[in-house]
Amino acid sequence: DTAVSQTPKYLVTQMGNDKSIKCEQNLGHDTMYWYKQDSKKFLKIMFSYNNKELIINETVPNRFSPKSPDKAHLNLHINSLELGDSAVYFCASSQEATSSYNEQFFGPGTRLTVL
Amino acid sequence: DQQVKQNSPSLSVQEGRISILNCDYTNSMFDYFLWYKKYPAEGPTFLISISSIKDKNEDGRFTVFLNKSAKHLSLHIVPSQPGDSAVYFCAASLDFNKFYFGSGTKLNVKP
Repeated sequence: DTAVSQTPKYLVTQMGNDKSIKCEQNLGHDTMYWYKQDSKKFLKIMFSYNNKELIINETVPNRFSPKSPDKAHLNLHINSLELGDSAVYFCASSQEATSSYNEQFFGPGTRLTVL
Repeated sequence: DQQVKQNSPSLSVQEGRISILNCDYTNSMFDYFLWYKKYPAEGPTFLISISSIKDKNEDGRFTVFLNKSAKHLSLHIVPSQPGDSAVYFCAASLDFNKFYFGSGTKLNVKP
């Protein structure tokens, strides 16, 4: 009955590989997000989708491509992984976030290590 | 160019005493602020929020204070309990869905 789930929890891979992280929420929320927690521990937003439509796309390399097959899922695909992509990636969701402030519910995070 | 900063990476407090976690921001357009709590190997969980039209919001042992002129936010926990030991993130927003987070303060409440 996890509200926001991510798979995998840990991902270790070689430079140059392509990998995906999956996220699912069962809260009935309209908006989903991907955040990256870097080595300095800042949580930085990467993408946000509202009802499967991209609404935030921060300055992220185009090797990162989010995909939202439905409003309960937001997957993150990363091509040609680089050492600097090593981080913890958090998925989050909230109720409709285009006209009011709503708290975000976070998944447990995926620790990506690129060797 | 971090717009939200938590300058204390860690804080240690005795059980029963007050914990005060601080947060500074640079963008005067921010109008909504939140605190999140994070345990190891878990995602952040929402704790308390405050709108810029207020200067204080209270929820049980947790109180958030906002000083807009100083662009400063603080979270008070009183009395502190060992279960409060976690990393606390402050966040700010100006457009409903984009939140800027600080780097967190690790609180240790000693029994």
